[in-house]
Amino acid sequence: LAKTTQPISMDSYEGQEVNITCSHNNIATNDYITWYQQFPSQGPRFIIQGYKTKVTNEVASLFIPADRKSSTLSLPRVSLSDTAVYYCLVGDGSGGGADGLTFGKGTHLIIQP
Amino acid sequence: DTEVTQTPKHLVMGMTNKKSLKCEQHMGHRAMYWYKQKAKKPPELMFVYSYEKLSINESVPSRFSPECPNSSLLNLHLHALQPEDSALYLCASSQVGQGIGNSPLHFGNGTRLTVT
Repeated sequence: LAKTTQPISMDSYEGQEVNITCSHNNIATNDYITWYQQFPSQGPRFIIQGYKTKVTNEVASLFIPADRKSSTLSLPRVSLSDTAVYYCLVGDGSGGGADGLTFGKGTHLIIQP
Repeated sequence: DTEVTQTPKHLVMGMTNKKSLKCEQHMGHRAMYWYKQKAKKPPELMFVYSYEKLSINESVPSRFSPECPNSSLLNLHLHALQPEDSALYLCASSQVGQGIGNSPLHFGNGTRLTVT
């Protein structure tokens, strides 16, 4: 089970690019990296998923170095509504256990005006 | 709005009550999950159903009893709960098998449970 480590909290300002890094030193060959966003009193929402290099969608980019021991979620031009907790999960879901289903402590991102 | 619907949104129950939480999805997902989330903590996995069969029970006390009547529905039956069981109970589903890979979790917005 790949354990993840993220900063507990981060602050930034509207219009800035925010990068949140997740460490997963014992990631396995078949593991994917998935990021979720959670607002208070709501369920987590899928943001982006990747295996290697770079993935981009309409809301974020995910950068994964060659050794895959870390990953960086990049949020371009954040707004106040991006204030939330961001979770990084690692796993492939095929092992029959809780691999990839375990949430770490997450990063509480606070965006200021 | 989410594609996973949980009812009720709020529930207050006494320690001797029996109640049920319900979860429904119509995305054709074959894996469904229950998570428990306490305030300012991450979601904790409770149960996983894969193809309507219980595949993971994360050592959850027997006062929580899951049920998956069909691939679209997931229930959590509650009996003799304790005040410390008060939390946000989240249901999720995924497209194939379980977990991630190419199958991200889709969450409902949860049931806020208060045990008095």
